[in-house]
Amino acid sequence: DAGVIQSPRHEVTEMGQEVTLRCKPISGHNSLFWYRQTMMRGLELLIYFNNNVPIDDSGMPEDRFSAKMPNASFSTLKIQPSEPRDSAVYFCASSPDSRNEKLFFGSGTQLSVL
Amino acid sequence: DQQVKQNSPSLSVQEGRISILNCDYTNSMFDYFLWYKKYPAEGPTFLISISSIKDKNEDGRFTVFLNKSAKHLSLHIVPSQPGDSAVYFCAARANSGNTPLVFGKGTRLSVIA
Repeated sequence: DAGVIQSPRHEVTEMGQEVTLRCKPISGHNSLFWYRQTMMRGLELLIYFNNNVPIDDSGMPEDRFSAKMPNASFSTLKIQPSEPRDSAVYFCASSPDSRNEKLFFGSGTQLSVL
Repeated sequence: DQQVKQNSPSLSVQEGRISILNCDYTNSMFDYFLWYKKYPAEGPTFLISISSIKDKNEDGRFTVFLNKSAKHLSLHIVPSQPGDSAVYFCAARANSGNTPLVFGKGTRLSVIA
């Protein structure tokens, strides 16, 4: 299995632009998570899905952030409009079941908003 | 408010010696604890876990200890190797299942040859 696949690996954009991050979870995994890593806050959960349904989006910072999971093999995290403080590494992770005892992470997207 | 705290941002250890990484938690509902390891430009990878019904779990050079009364866990690496240099994240999950892992901020371990 190729593992969790995220794209792009790096994204540099200007403030005010729309940014879309993509994730393909491991086939057969039922849960999908979006985390953001910063120096100040470490790894913080933004949103997670179970069987393609959003379960908890309380970690989404603002209305500028939105996430979708149209099917079991694809999810997007969108930021519109982007701001410099959104600069961080965004990780997608998947889990084989709802117990969420072990997550498998992608390599992350390094986002820089200038 | 951080429910999982790793108070040491960094740690340096000589090769061959023991590395001890610490983690404290505040939520008494947490019943499952994990350690993840992260190399630069890669995602975190699972290292070792422990259930709250145990106080120790060992896997090769890695041992995790859990002290529920103190709400404290630690990861011991013996002997430490240069390849262990990475950021280590402590994570916890509450017993309701269907709840996501909560991570600490991480501790950067440097093993010096």
